[in-house]
Amino acid sequence: DAGVIQSPRHEVTEMGQEVTLRCKPISGHNSLFWYRQTMMRGLELLIYFNNNVPIDDSGMPEDRFSAKMPNASFSTLKIQPSEPRDSAVYFCASGSGGAGETQYFGPGTRLLVL
Amino acid sequence: GDSVTQMEGPVTLSEEAFLTINCTYTATGYPSLFWYVQYPGEGLQLLLKATKADDKGSNKGFEATYRKETTSFHLEKGSVQVSDSAVYFCALLDSSYKLIFGSGTRLLVRP
Repeated sequence: DAGVIQSPRHEVTEMGQEVTLRCKPISGHNSLFWYRQTMMRGLELLIYFNNNVPIDDSGMPEDRFSAKMPNASFSTLKIQPSEPRDSAVYFCASGSGGAGETQYFGPGTRLLVL
Repeated sequence: GDSVTQMEGPVTLSEEAFLTINCTYTATGYPSLFWYVQYPGEGLQLLLKATKADDKGSNKGFEATYRKETTSFHLEKGSVQVSDSAVYFCALLDSSYKLIFGSGTRLLVRP
């Protein structure tokens, strides 16, 4: 299995621009998670989906952030407009759901907003 | 709410030394517990897990036992290698199936 695939791996953009991060979960997994990692805050869960439906988006920092999962094999996290404080590594993870489930992480997208 | 507390790093050891990284948790009920490892520039990888009290998770020489009495899940390895240098995260799965992570502990193993 290819594992969780994320693109792009690195993104450099200017403040105010729209940024779209992409994720392809492991086939057969029905849960998908978006995390953000920074030195100051560590790992934060932004949002998670179950069977393509957003279950909990309480971690999304503000309205500039949005996430979609149009089908079982694709999800996007969008930041519009981007700000320098959004600079972080964004991870996507997928899992098979249920108690004791293991989440499998992608390699991450390193975002730098200038 | 649920939370995980890990010992502060970095932890610096010589090769073949014994490793312990402490992890304690606060949770409602008995959550599944995990250790993830992150190598430089990479995503998190599952190292081991335990789903109920007294379970021992093990992998690649690492072990951790789910201790309900002390609400702990300490990570141990008898003889570390340079290749074990990484950041280690303790985590619990809460009742909403969300992972709650500790702040991470950086391990540096010197030859």
